[in-house]
Amino acid sequence: KNQVEQSPQSLIILEGKNCTLQCNYTVSPFSNLRWYKQDTGRGPVSLTIMTFSENTKSNGRYTATLDADTKQSSLHITASQLSDSASYICVVSASGAGSYQLTFGKGTKLSVIP
Amino acid sequence: KAGVTQTPRYLIKTRGQQVTLSCSPISGHRSVSWYQQTPGQGLQFLFEYFSETQRNKGNFPGRFSGRQFSNSRSEMNVSTLELGDSALYLCASSLASGTSWGYEQYFGPGTRLTVT
Repeated sequence: KNQVEQSPQSLIILEGKNCTLQCNYTVSPFSNLRWYKQDTGRGPVSLTIMTFSENTKSNGRYTATLDADTKQSSLHITASQLSDSASYICVVSASGAGSYQLTFGKGTKLSVIP
Repeated sequence: KAGVTQTPRYLIKTRGQQVTLSCSPISGHRSVSWYQQTPGQGLQFLFEYFSETQRNKGNFPGRFSGRQFSNSRSEMNVSTLELGDSALYLCASSLASGTSWGYEQYFGPGTRLTVT
């Protein structure tokens, strides 16, 4: 059964500090992995899309890594800002037979405090 | 360029009723996907439409249906509402539909449905 596990469930950090969010998946056959940021009361916003051959991808202060061998991904946030407070969702796509299947993590709720 | 718009933003319905939600994609986008988000289950994929055809479907009962019009606008319908259908319904648009879901998606603000 395809699964995506995110950790931690919630995290509180001080403004200016770095943090790393984890996403472990058992999805096959793997197609791509996405990280989304979702502010309270708003729709998700895509941060990165990573395919099998990509190890690292950055988007400003956000850097995602992917280890396809261990089926792990991480999202590193550098020099956190109050506006980083949000839920971060990992989504993995499996493709085959001309279609795709999406498996969603439950998200990590990040709170950045002054 | 205007973003994805969803109407209505909030809706309260009674168990047993039906509801129709609307989504207007970004201009030029031909793919529209629908998602359900609840505190317990998180985000779940409902279906994707591209060029008026359903391209993919998640594991939801037949009470959940959708359609797409020639201008790419999409509607989602839920019949015989249940209390468990209370959720945030999100739609997302993208330029194209891929078998690997590899295209960038842009989400709307969602419709908050409450079933009493």
